[in-house]
Amino acid sequence: AQKVTQAQTEISVVEKEDVTLDCVYETRDTTYYLFWYKQPPSGELVFLIRRNSFDEQNEISGRYSWNFQKSTSSFNFTITASQVVDSAVYFCALSEVYSGAGSYQLTFGKGTKLSVIP
Amino acid sequence: DAGITQSPRHKVTETGTPVTLRCHQTENHRYMYWYRQDPGHGLRLIHYSYGVKDTDKGEVSDGYSVSRSKTEDFLLTLESATSSQTSVYFCAIGQEGNQPQHFGDGTRLSIL
Repeated sequence: AQKVTQAQTEISVVEKEDVTLDCVYETRDTTYYLFWYKQPPSGELVFLIRRNSFDEQNEISGRYSWNFQKSTSSFNFTITASQVVDSAVYFCALSEVYSGAGSYQLTFGKGTKLSVIP
Repeated sequence: DAGITQSPRHKVTETGTPVTLRCHQTENHRYMYWYRQDPGHGLRLIHYSYGVKDTDKGEVSDGYSVSRSKTEDFLLTLESATSSQTSVYFCAIGQEGNQPQHFGDGTRLSIL
């Protein structure tokens, strides 16, 4: 069965510090997809990024960057120069094809609560 | 924003009563999902649908049933609500393949 572990339950940083959120996954499939979602205090879930298992290229989007390493089954998320608006719960998720119906089911980690202190 | 509407947004009810939550989409996506979010557990899949009248169980399906009579609507029913079903419920939709799921704004359900 697939599993996602976010070992950091809560992190606090001072504004402008860099912070990395860890995500480790387990899967027996060779084809899978990894996602990060953000849940701000208002409660909605916002999609941030998707990465497939064939693409280990790191990605940068503004202050956000993601480091995918298949060798360590990790998909870590770094926020550079953090801001108060980055305060949220961040979820890492893993998706495999569910062969019975062809749907993709997400398995979520338990989330990391990031607090950015001004 | 993906066109997903959950109703009601908040509900308080008593143990033993039936409860139905509705998810409505305007995106014509094939796949629809119901999750629950609880502290310390992240989001867990309850049921999902891969087409009209096609549904299947997720990780935490006990005590829940679903129905999908048309593409745009996915209903989650608690036949006899229990306090352990107090949670925030999220509906999500997805396209074919590996596209990301997009979520509704959630329903906060309290069962007293």
